[in-house]
Amino acid sequence: QKEVEQNSGPLSVPEGAIASLNCTYSDRGSQSFFWYRQYSGKSPELIMSIYSNGDKEDGRFTAQLNKASQYVSLLIRDSQPSDSATYLCAGNNAGNMLTFGGGTRLMVKP
Amino acid sequence: KAGVTQTPRYLIKTRGQQVTLSCSPISGHRSVSWYQQTPGQGLQFLFEYFSETQRNKGNFPGRFSGRQFSNSRSEMNVSTLELGDSALYLCASSLDSGGTIGELFFGEGSRLTVL
Repeated sequence: QKEVEQNSGPLSVPEGAIASLNCTYSDRGSQSFFWYRQYSGKSPELIMSIYSNGDKEDGRFTAQLNKASQYVSLLIRDSQPSDSATYLCAGNNAGNMLTFGGGTRLMVKP
Repeated sequence: KAGVTQTPRYLIKTRGQQVTLSCSPISGHRSVSWYQQTPGQGLQFLFEYFSETQRNKGNFPGRFSGRQFSNSRSEMNVSTLELGDSALYLCASSLDSGGTIGELFFGEGSRLTVL
């Protein structure tokens, strides 16, 4: 079992809708979580980080963390075709190693 | 501010050869991490260096090694290449001001093909 699990998708949403991306993790020692976006043929780029339980909003993006359920999510409001990419969830485990999930491919259809 | 620079961007090797990849982090970043990315396995952690010391190592064979220099530049080496080593090798740097790894800035990667 991977330490960080994501549904590979693709997740298809219409333009303007809310895209909901989910991630679960197995290491209860993980304290920090991150969402990276990777366009096809490009390297990952950090879009959100979350360190405590609850919600964190940044523009159209909201990250949610529930440590009791070992669950992290990313909501993208008013999805745009330019949001079409693979979204990688990552957790910093107790050994201070950043472990990535397999990624969820998001497709936003005009 | 210049980003993370990786060289070479593309390279082709044959089985049994060795390869050295280079990474220059963002100025001021002292932590450098290396990842291997393949379609089947995703992003897998290789190792992380901070102030010339390897702080963490992933689950890769000893053929994979790395080092970091005093100017924070890093190199990774793969010896006795195998077909399965074909992948995109990504370097990422981090400011690591609080000792927590996570906010990584990735380079464009070095795509290695082993024939």
